[in-house]
Amino acid sequence: GAGVSQTPSNKVTEKGKYVELRCDPISGHTALYWYRQSLGQGPEFLIYFQGTGAADDSGLPNDRFFAVRPEGSVSTLKIQRTERGDSAVYLCASSLKPQGWRNTGELFFGEGSRLTVL
Amino acid sequence: GDSVTQMEGPVTLSEEAFLTINCTYTATGYPSLFWYVQYPGEGLQLLLKATKADDKGSNKGFEATYRKETTSFHLEKGSVQVSDSAVYFCALSGAHDMRFGAGTRLTVKP
Repeated sequence: GAGVSQTPSNKVTEKGKYVELRCDPISGHTALYWYRQSLGQGPEFLIYFQGTGAADDSGLPNDRFFAVRPEGSVSTLKIQRTERGDSAVYLCASSLKPQGWRNTGELFFGEGSRLTVL
Repeated sequence: GDSVTQMEGPVTLSEEAFLTINCTYTATGYPSLFWYVQYPGEGLQLLLKATKADDKGSNKGFEATYRKETTSFHLEKGSVQVSDSAVYFCALSGAHDMRFGAGTRLTVKP
């Protein structure tokens, strides 16, 4: 399809396990964002890629979280030693250009990956 | 840091009622303001936006005006429909990302 694709849509894992969440952005979109949405909350910024590089990873909560985008397209969010508090919906979004004060283009979101840590 | 605060829900209205969802913001610089909507089972999608003070964004009968003097961007619709039932998020553009409010769930009953 033409939209942002995220897999898996649902992931249940046990505390302490390693998890990978994948995002396939809209073709040609150079900017890619990961957000985390906890129940009853709005999306919380995690990391932003411009091309292959992480331009801003200030939202990653700790060093258990890491994300890559090796070829400037698909991105993988990696969570080590998962904890129950990591349970949330992880959203990926892409846009033609980076968001910001000088650019107000639309962010296109995927449907998210729901992570449950038991 | 930059942030938005929006009216807590949930909000339940009858069809054809008037809707207001309040949103206020705190920001340095000159952010753009947005409303995103999340329909059941779907991803977040842009509803409308305004890029500078006094701009009015509109789409699908919804409107919001960027008010710098009151730092607000309230969402309004004159006559809601059952199909408007969704979660609505106010957002602003930060330095290079989007900052979202907590969301307001709207349910419209026939």
